[in-house]
Amino acid sequence: DAGITQSPRHKVTETGTPVTLRCHQTENHRYMYWYRQDPGHGLRLIHYSYGVKDTDKGEVSDGYSVSRSKTEDFLLTLESATSSQTSVYFCAISESGQPQETQYFGPGTRLLVL
Amino acid sequence: AQSVTQLDSQVPVFEEAPVELRCNYSSSVSVYLFWYVQYPNQGLQLLLKYLSGSTLVKGINGFEAEFNKSQTSFHLRKPSVHISDTAEYFCAVGKTSYDKVIFGPGTSLSVIP
Repeated sequence: DAGITQSPRHKVTETGTPVTLRCHQTENHRYMYWYRQDPGHGLRLIHYSYGVKDTDKGEVSDGYSVSRSKTEDFLLTLESATSSQTSVYFCAISESGQPQETQYFGPGTRLLVL
Repeated sequence: AQSVTQLDSQVPVFEEAPVELRCNYSSSVSVYLFWYVQYPNQGLQLLLKYLSGSTLVKGINGFEAEFNKSQTSFHLRKPSVHISDTAEYFCAVGKTSYDKVIFGPGTSLSVIP
């Protein structure tokens, strides 16, 4: 199994509070991704990173920010959580970001915004 | 825009029966095709992928998929399912002109004893 951990695994928070999710990898892969998974929508890309301090937006980036200060860590921040951000968040990694590459996923973080 | 369709959101099937999970995509250029599986309370893992060559692709756990370019489909099949195949299955598409992979909405396979 690829070495990908996510923390926390579960979180309950209140509307308007900031939340940070962490993804940590031990594979030294260049690309890292944050997805959200919602019923009927599958996985939707929030943000991704192609190197330290190099990030870009995905299709559902509004309300989210990311940072990558080290190769192994990719942080997702909800600046002011809303109920619509209740979801399961997955981190994924790939070696060089090529579309034919396999992505390896972490175990997910369940976030409930009350 | 590129899209992936999985028409069946839920598929119940009896143990040891065959199953087919359907996937269609929209693209006018060459694509790479994937099936990922998500077991309960876990992340996704690769089941199989098509990059080029033979249109019949074999994956883990006895699954296979066939790429049909004319029908823009990549259906997943297994001749005899087991209880342990109960999971969510996602079809995904990547293409060279777009560096992100697009995931379908998923199909929930429930194997009934």
